[in-house]
Amino acid sequence: NAGVTQTPKFQVLKTGQSMTLQCAQDMNHNSMYWYRQDPGMGLRLIYYSASEGTTDKGEVPNGYNVSRLNKREFSLRLESAAPSQTSVYFCASSEMRDGELFFGEGSRLTVL
Amino acid sequence: DQQVKQNSPSLSVQEGRISILNCDYTNSMFDYFLWYKKYPAEGPTFLISISSIKDKNEDGRFTVFLNKSAKHLSLHIVPSQPGDSAVYFCAASGGGGADGLTFGKGTHLIIQP
Repeated sequence: NAGVTQTPKFQVLKTGQSMTLQCAQDMNHNSMYWYRQDPGMGLRLIYYSASEGTTDKGEVPNGYNVSRLNKREFSLRLESAAPSQTSVYFCASSEMRDGELFFGEGSRLTVL
Repeated sequence: DQQVKQNSPSLSVQEGRISILNCDYTNSMFDYFLWYKKYPAEGPTFLISISSIKDKNEDGRFTVFLNKSAKHLSLHIVPSQPGDSAVYFCAASGGGGADGLTFGKGTHLIIQP
């Protein structure tokens, strides 16, 4: 039982490059989330999707786009990466809105 | 405007003693509180939760206390073990904003042998 799977686990980008972080969950959860973790900042919500076909902004959405491809998959795209987007990104899912979150292992992104 | 606050970035406790991690919140609409544990290079994992209709929830060595009037919750770990060394995040939901959980900045718990 894989739970929440994120790819890639590590990525180095140059400023201005684009990339997509992939996330898939096998728990049949309705809600999916993208968080970023920065030193001394805790976990901050970027975007979330309450159900297939819907997405909404979280606390720090600027510079990101998301796609809820189907019930299993929720991707995060950086169109033009900036050094301020250097962070560890976590995908999470939950059975219901505002419920317990199940997290992936994280994707460490460095933007030079 | 931080709605969930963990004011101690780190805490050092001797093995076998009690660890007490504290969390304060400002949004009175929060109705569900959770603690997550995180090891380096891993995702956060759920530890214990409490609904706002309760003031205590216990699970083995872990107990969470909620004081709604003070907007304060605490996590007690008794007895503390070396494997408890990790970063602990306090989180809350139901605040009326975006879905998902609002997290504190975390407390790094170090269990000394």
